[in-house]
Amino acid sequence: GQNIDQPTEMTATEGAIVQINCTYQTSGFNGLFWYQQHAGEAPTFLSYNVLDGLEEKGRFSSFLSRSKGYSYLLLKELQMKDSASYLCAVLNNTGGFKTIFGAGTRLFVKA
Amino acid sequence: EADIYQTPRYLVIGTGKKITLECSQTMGHDKMYWYQQDPGMELHLIHYSYGVNSTEKGDLSSESTVSRIRTEHFPLTLESARPSHTSQYLCASETGTGNTIYFGEGSWLTVV
Repeated sequence: GQNIDQPTEMTATEGAIVQINCTYQTSGFNGLFWYQQHAGEAPTFLSYNVLDGLEEKGRFSSFLSRSKGYSYLLLKELQMKDSASYLCAVLNNTGGFKTIFGAGTRLFVKA
Repeated sequence: EADIYQTPRYLVIGTGKKITLECSQTMGHDKMYWYQQDPGMELHLIHYSYGVNSTEKGDLSSESTVSRIRTEHFPLTLESARPSHTSQYLCASETGTGNTIYFGEGSWLTVV
């Protein structure tokens, strides 16, 4: 089977750094995505990691360790508009390629 | 910027009615998906397609059906709507390169 775990909620302060963790167990792993979803809106793509290591994109960075089944999304210089849900999703190729989403982590940024 | 469109955006219908949610993309993507998401809850995959004439059921049991007669079009149909079908339905398509999923804006369905 497959399982994706991430914390349900996190709170951080404006200007700070926050790390959102994601662990997964899946057969046929092909890559890991992070999506951002503001309340009432559709998810939008943030990052895609295939190889181990850190990928940096502006204020957001994503890390992957395939051997540990672990990823994190790092958000720096937090802004109020970063308050959203962050979805970890795994690209799985068992029985065809499919993207499986975690339940998401709701991030609250306070002043 | 992704070009994937859903209609209607918001709909209120009576129990027992038939409804089709439309989804179209102009990017030529082969893979398309339908997700169901209740407010503040996780995404659930209900249907997906690898291309024309391909349709598969997702992880969440659904009383809806889909068709894929053309690459750009992936409609979802509820033959007889019930209040339990009240939810947001998100259509998505996927690039072949990098496998990035692009979502439509969603269709909010309320069955009364």
